[in-house]
Amino acid sequence: QVQLQQSGPGLVKPSQTLSLTCAISGDSVSSNSAAWNWIRQSPSRGLEWLGRTYYRSKWYNDYAVSVKSRITINPDTSKNQFSLQLNSVTPEDTAVYYCARDPSSWYPTPGWFDPWGQGTLVTVSS
Amino acid sequence: SYELTQPPSVSVSPGQTARITCSGDALPKQYAYWYQQKPGQAPVLVIYKDSERPSGIPERFSGSSSGTTVTLTISGVQAEDEADYYCQSADSSGTSHGSVFGGGTKLTVL
Repeated sequence: QVQLQQSGPGLVKPSQTLSLTCAISGDSVSSNSAAWNWIRQSPSRGLEWLGRTYYRSKWYNDYAVSVKSRITINPDTSKNQFSLQLNSVTPEDTAVYYCARDPSSWYPTPGWFDPWGQGTLVTVSS
Repeated sequence: SYELTQPPSVSVSPGQTARITCSGDALPKQYAYWYQQKPGQAPVLVIYKDSERPSGIPERFSGSSSGTTVTLTISGVQAEDEADYYCQSADSSGTSHGSVFGGGTKLTVL
């Protein structure tokens, strides 16, 4: 079955870059029938979709308007994983970050998220 | 921006039926999905495409859709069903090809 394993630091200083990685087992980041997402959760913002990357003969990315100027999601085919970079973080970016697969194969309409990674609490503080 | 609206809380006694609603203007045109989240855990998909149940999810979980409202129904609620439940659908605001989540409903089993 598909499993997602997240890694990355739990503490980031304000104005710096948050970086997380999601390693995939049981599927391929290059799959033509899945999309790979980052989602975060905080008490103030609830569950918030951040963005996705997916391959349909070429690579595509979609990002949430709220973070579009600061976010990059990249696939790494050599390691079968994908990453999140969020620049210029502030304490408002403190949240639990999740990676998740969308197995719906639809394009460009998003589908559902299954499975999810284990979550990483990222605190933005000096 | 597009929003999905859920009641903050629902309470039921064991063995009763819990119904959790989610409202959104685009739900007649877009599928809805439901997740269960227990404290300290990642969300788990319990319903997809309005009413489909993933393998491994108990039959007491079901979903339905009517107009701008979708409903998650848990029949014969058990103590282990106490959790937060979230709906999700496609962002229909036209600003992105992303997803939106409802604010979540805390299910309390009395």
